[in-house]
Amino acid sequence: QKEVEQDPGPLSVPEGAIVSLNCTYSNSAFQYFMWYRQYSRKGPELLMYTYSSGNKEDGRFTAQVDKSSKYISLFIRDSQPSDSATYLCAMSWDNYGQNFVFGPGTRLSVLP
Amino acid sequence: NAGVTQTPKFQVLKTGQSMTLQCAQDMNHNSMYWYRQDPGMGLRLIYYSASEGTTDKGEVPNGYNVSRLNKREFSLRLESAAPSQTSVYFCASSPGTGFSAKNIQYFGAGTRLSVL
Repeated sequence: QKEVEQDPGPLSVPEGAIVSLNCTYSNSAFQYFMWYRQYSRKGPELLMYTYSSGNKEDGRFTAQVDKSSKYISLFIRDSQPSDSATYLCAMSWDNYGQNFVFGPGTRLSVLP
Repeated sequence: NAGVTQTPKFQVLKTGQSMTLQCAQDMNHNSMYWYRQDPGMGLRLIYYSASEGTTDKGEVPNGYNVSRLNKREFSLRLESAAPSQTSVYFCASSPGTGFSAKNIQYFGAGTRLSVL
């Protein structure tokens, strides 16, 4: 079993839909959780950064962490074609970059 | 405002050839990282440098060497390239460590390497 798992997709949705992206993990020590967006042929860029459990909202994006279920989610409201990208989750038990564990990513297509 | 700059963007090598991937950051970050990204595998850490003057192995260091030339630059060297090293390589940097700070990693645009 991989330490962090994501459905690879592709996930195709119509413009304006609510998108739910998810990761499951096996290490209960993880307490820092991140979502990165990666456009085709570009490097990942950070979208959301949360510590411990709960929700965090930033514009159209909401990150949710459920440590009891070892499950994190990223919701995108009013999705736009510009949201078409691969979304990577990442997590760590401490705040040391070398210990970040990345999921394989989910490819999202938002169709106009 | 360049951020993290990687060179070259593309490279094709023959088995056994050597090359160095270059990375530079202009954000005065302490920590730098080299990852490889393969389909279905996620980003895997090759080597990292927590601070200037130090380097350590990550998850997949075999076949690679690194040099932290100064605070800005961190290079990755393939001494004898193998087809299994065909991948996309990303360099990243972050402020460092600390429980009170967001240790956000900033990534370069990547180097696409094919080894034939």
